[in-house]
Amino acid sequence: AQTVTQSQPEMSVQEAETVTLSCTYDTSESDYYLFWYKQPPSRQMILVIRQEAYKQQNATENRFSVNFQKAAKSFSLKISDSQLGDAAMYFCAYRANRDDKIIFGKGTRLHILP
Amino acid sequence: DTAVSQTPKYLVTQMGNDKSIKCEQNLGHDTMYWYKQDSKKFLKIMFSYNNKELIINETVPNRFSPKSPDKAHLNLHINSLELGDSAVYFCASTPGHKGTQYFGPGTRLLVL
Repeated sequence: AQTVTQSQPEMSVQEAETVTLSCTYDTSESDYYLFWYKQPPSRQMILVIRQEAYKQQNATENRFSVNFQKAAKSFSLKISDSQLGDAAMYFCAYRANRDDKIIFGKGTRLHILP
Repeated sequence: DTAVSQTPKYLVTQMGNDKSIKCEQNLGHDTMYWYKQDSKKFLKIMFSYNNKELIINETVPNRFSPKSPDKAHLNLHINSLELGDSAVYFCASTPGHKGTQYFGPGTRLLVL
């Protein structure tokens, strides 16, 4: 069965610093997608970044980038120049290409310290 | 011009009541989903419909019945509400079987 594990329930980072959120997953599939979603206090689920497993290049979106290690089944999210608006729950998620179901990790609550 | 919308945003009701949550997407997506987020923030899929056809039905009590009148709408009806049903319910959609899921704003259900 596929699983997604986020080992850090909470993290804190100073404003303007860099923080890395960890995610590991388990699957026997070779073709899949990985996602990071952000859920601020407004509760809205917002896609931060997406990675296709067949792509070796790490995805980046402005201050957000991932370190995708396929062999290690690791998918960490790096947030550079942290801003107060980055404070939120961050969910790592997985979906097999042949499947419709997304599996979410339990989330990491990120606090930004002014 | 909201992409995925849900009504109501908040729902407070008594145990034993029946209630419905509506979801609509104007993205032209074929696949829609319902997720439940519990008090510990854990997100779990409940149902998925593709072009009005049920394709995912996780282990959910049969008090929960999804209905898709057309591919732009996926409603969730809950009978005989229980305290444990209190949660935030999210609707989402994707274009076809692949692609990124776009979430609605969530419906916070509180059963008293």
